[in-house]
Amino acid sequence: GAVVSQHPSWVICKSGTSVKIECRSLDFQATTMFWYRQFPKQSLMLMATSNEGSKATYEQGVEKDKFLINHASLTLSTLTVTSAHPEDSSFYICSASKGQDGADTQYFGPGTRLTVL
Amino acid sequence: GNSVTQMEGPVTLSEEAFLTINCTYTATGYPSLFWYVQYPGEGLQLLLKATKADDKGSNKGFEATYRKETTSFHLEKGSVQVSDSAVYFCALRDGGYNKLIFGAGTRLAVHP
Repeated sequence: GAVVSQHPSWVICKSGTSVKIECRSLDFQATTMFWYRQFPKQSLMLMATSNEGSKATYEQGVEKDKFLINHASLTLSTLTVTSAHPEDSSFYICSASKGQDGADTQYFGPGTRLTVL
Repeated sequence: GNSVTQMEGPVTLSEEAFLTINCTYTATGYPSLFWYVQYPGEGLQLLLKATKADDKGSNKGFEATYRKETTSFHLEKGSVQVSDSAVYFCALRDGGYNKLIFGAGTRLAVHP
């Protein structure tokens, strides 16, 4: 149990276009979902936290107008990279948690590799 | 601020060798500490955790002890297998917030 999927697993797009990445909890309801970004050989950096039905909370330095997060249901969150540029190329990882308190385990998706040409 | 530092990889070992991956942390308060593992093509999975000083987390032959005096949470396994080849991430969670801070990850390659 507690499986999280991401789609697509990889995407290549042209500079200036927008890309949407989906994160789904397949067998549980995810009250909270997290979006991370990982650069090569670096750690995962939390971008934002979202609770179902409310606005996402972005980490310092993350542009909320560039990285749009929608957590419309208890099983789906989407990250849209708007007007993507080559510097947005990265590995994006989502995770999902069953509760809202501080003790719940996060279950991670396999990640989406974005390449912006 | 809070941070996690873990040894750089890759770590290359022969099967049945002893494994240590070092992890140290900086945190205010009393964080919970975690080791996550990422197998090729899969998402991160929780390997083990410890929530207070002197706790030992263990799973699948791996273990790590929460050492407050040295701010460390080193991962160990007595005899590694080829199937243990993966990337290992040390992480902390500060206080009551479900927000994880990760180390850079250490790639382990085990050869037969």
